[in-house]
Amino acid sequence: NAGVTQTPKFRVLKTGQSMTLLCAQDMNHEYMYWYRQDPGMGLRLIHYSVGEGTTAKGEVPDGYNVSRLKKQNFLLGLESAAPSQTSVYFCASSYSTSGGHEQYFGPGTRLTVT
Amino acid sequence: GIQVEQSPPDLILQEGANSTLRCNFSDSVNNLQWFHQNPWGQLINLFYIPSGTKQNGRLSATTVATERYSLLYISSSQTTDSGVYFCAVDQAGTALIFGKGTTLSVSS
Repeated sequence: NAGVTQTPKFRVLKTGQSMTLLCAQDMNHEYMYWYRQDPGMGLRLIHYSVGEGTTAKGEVPDGYNVSRLKKQNFLLGLESAAPSQTSVYFCASSYSTSGGHEQYFGPGTRLTVT
Repeated sequence: GIQVEQSPPDLILQEGANSTLRCNFSDSVNNLQWFHQNPWGQLINLFYIPSGTKQNGRLSATTVATERYSLLYISSSQTTDSGVYFCAVDQAGTALIFGKGTTLSVSS
């Protein structure tokens, strides 16, 4: 049981380039999330999904797109990278509980845009 | 939106000391989680605690939902406890809203 995995771990892009970050979970969780973490701050939600084929915007969605074609995978795309997207990106997943949803996080992807 | 405030922002301890970290939130929540972000950047789940008290080894947490705060207790601190501790809350069963964290440094 690997939990939540992210690919790649590190990436350097030039301004204007595109890339896709892959998140995979093997816990059969319905919900998946993409967050970004900037220096000295907590995490902020980019996009999330409440099930296969569904996506929704979070707090900071501009410049990103997502897709959830399979229940276990959640992709985050940057179509035209900008230096402001330099950050650490975390994926998370959760199951439904009677109250809220405990979220489990992947190891993160460190992205630098030059 | 809901506000999450953590205190203190920074904490420096000698090995073996005890500490209490606080998380205040501005509205009712369905979920509250405590995380430890280690020096390598990994986020480790400590507690899922929307209410009540839980203990795990040297760590324990209490959430008083009616008064909108949670406390994380670290006893007999060790150098491996160093890092940033985040409190995060969830209102609608979707996004976690994170506080800015408490940076803990434990020296030997």
